[in-house]
Amino acid sequence: DAGITQSPRHKVTETGTPVTLRCHQTENHRYMYWYRQDPGHGLRLIHYSYGVKDTDKGEVSDGYSVSRSKTEDFLLTLESATSSQTSVYFCAISERDSRGIEAFFGQGTRLTVV
Amino acid sequence: QQQVKQSPQSLIVQKGGISIINCAYENTAFDYFPWYQQFPGKGPALLIAIRPDVSEKKEGRFTISFNKSAKQFSLHIMDSQPGDSATYFCAAGYTGTASKLTFGTGTRLQVTL
Repeated sequence: DAGITQSPRHKVTETGTPVTLRCHQTENHRYMYWYRQDPGHGLRLIHYSYGVKDTDKGEVSDGYSVSRSKTEDFLLTLESATSSQTSVYFCAISERDSRGIEAFFGQGTRLTVV
Repeated sequence: QQQVKQSPQSLIVQKGGISIINCAYENTAFDYFPWYQQFPGKGPALLIAIRPDVSEKKEGRFTISFNKSAKQFSLHIMDSQPGDSATYFCAAGYTGTASKLTFGTGTRLQVTL
């Protein structure tokens, strides 16, 4: 999976608690992304990063924050988890090179908010 | 607002048959159209991608057909095999900066013996 590790792989948390998901890459790719996958919606971009400390919002950013203090780590935080944030979260990385801008995805984190 | 519409939602094809999945997009600024394959419990993996300057791209049994004027593109899987059973996502994005992709809703393909 292109040197991408997501942790944890599964998590159950209670409504109102903060949750942090971690994405770690060993590819030294510049761009990192967090998507969520829900039935009937495909994958939707939450936040992305184009370098250390450089992040921007995606399509469904409300209730989420991110941080990137090192090239290899991109953290997604649910500030106060809600049931609507129950989903599978995927981290992706990409780098523009002669081959294009292919995005590589991690294995995903299944988050359940009860 | 669904910027990339994908159909059908599910598809059953016999082994050896042709699987066809269609997508339509709205934003004419998109200039990168990949297809991703996802197996249960795994992340999506790039299958094949096309730029709007060509009308067709073929890689093995997989072909993308692209119609810029109609703002549509499709994936054809020739000689479909049971191992092709997976969920397929089309997507659209920009090559200018980050690879921010807008995904279709997915098609679950089942190839029967």
